[in-house]
Amino acid sequence: DQQVKQNSPSLSVQEGRISILNCDYTNSMFDYFLWYKKYPAEGPTFLISISSIKDKNEDGRFTVFLNKSAKHLSLHIVPSQPGDSAVYFCAALYNFNKFYFGSGTKLNVKP
Amino acid sequence: NAGVTQTPKFQVLKTGQSMTLQCAQDMNHNSMYWYRQDPGMGLRLIYYSASEGTTDKGEVPNGYNVSRLNKREFSLRLESAAPSQTSVYFCASHPIAGGTYEQYFGPGTRLTVT
Repeated sequence: DQQVKQNSPSLSVQEGRISILNCDYTNSMFDYFLWYKKYPAEGPTFLISISSIKDKNEDGRFTVFLNKSAKHLSLHIVPSQPGDSAVYFCAALYNFNKFYFGSGTKLNVKP
Repeated sequence: NAGVTQTPKFQVLKTGQSMTLQCAQDMNHNSMYWYRQDPGMGLRLIYYSASEGTTDKGEVPNGYNVSRLNKREFSLRLESAAPSQTSVYFCASHPIAGGTYEQYFGPGTRLTVT
């Protein structure tokens, strides 16, 4: 049973607009949440993370929001750029050692 | 500083053949991981090693074995390959303590079992 879920396999957004990627989880014991970006034929690369004791973390155009009561996190990209087109994975860290990944959302930013 | 390296990049095996996927990191990280990525399934953890000398099962360990040879190297072995093991395999490392808890991934090995 998947402990981290990304229910939207794909998302299409116009350049300059906001992209919102969503992720849900089931285990309230996760310590940290992370977002990764993946281009074809490459390994995932880290984007941004948030501790389970916080509700928001911002890094430039990227902001992650955590709603612990709803067991939901989201990644906001503002403004979206064509170079942001990639697959985005959310991940959750358990016991500071074991990671669980969602199935990914493919973002397409149209020029 | 090469980060995480994986060999080979591509491999085709026949059912029943065996092979070892190699992974090495030069960042002095304690933890290392093996994942497989399948369409619609995201990354699923096969095995991980929290430190040199220890290994633990992940979500999908059946059909695989691992060896943490030293702090740098973590190999994944398929003893008798099956078509269900056709996948892209990623190795990752993680420093454990502090920071953002990010993992660093290798470029992947694309394995096809016929």
